[in-house]
Amino acid sequence: DGGITQSPKYLFRKEGQNVTLSCEQNLNHDAMYWYRQDPGQGLRLIYYSQIVNDFQKGDIAEGYSVSREKKESFPLTVTSAQKNPTAFYLCASSMDRVPTYEQYFGPGTRLTVT
Amino acid sequence: AQKVTQAQTEISVVEKEDVTLDCVYETRDTTYYLFWYKQPPSGELVFLIRRNSFDEQNEISGRYSWNFQKSTSSFNFTITASQVVDSAVYFCALSGAVTGANNLFFGTGTRLTVIP
Repeated sequence: DGGITQSPKYLFRKEGQNVTLSCEQNLNHDAMYWYRQDPGQGLRLIYYSQIVNDFQKGDIAEGYSVSREKKESFPLTVTSAQKNPTAFYLCASSMDRVPTYEQYFGPGTRLTVT
Repeated sequence: AQKVTQAQTEISVVEKEDVTLDCVYETRDTTYYLFWYKQPPSGELVFLIRRNSFDEQNEISGRYSWNFQKSTSSFNFTITASQVVDSAVYFCALSGAVTGANNLFFGTGTRLTVIP
């Protein structure tokens, strides 16, 4: 089955710790994206990558970092510099390098930092 | 600037009623794309439809239909004969071919509850 996997579904961390969220896709999509969703709000773009070894900041990149060493994988690290890290994080991919084509989303990771 | 407004925060309907979810957008691009996504309680966003700015034809897919009107910058979504399984948060989104071409701008979503 083709799709996007994110693990784990729920993640708990202590304040001050870095944490890495996994995102893997087997759709052979070029582009991958990370979004953050807060209660009652839409999704906001954190980072995106159009091609391996290249990525760009989105609207709210501060306190986050990413890597794209393989086409299939786009992990997101939430660093201790992120002031309000508790949120629902969604990874997506699209066939085209710009989101004029639909994006396919993973099941999300709910991160709680205390 | 790109902006999507979904003024309806929450809607409740009784099963089998029709319901329309509103979406109003703003963009300076002449070429742009509009989307609707469904987010069920599981959290994963499910793609429903993509529309480009040059295609104003309305679309129907089963119980779902979409009304795209450039004159009013609206892209409304109607569910006919709603079912409990339609309960979810629905997001309208916009992508500009030029402005913010690598960004999908989402509205704040409309939570639809279908009461059996």
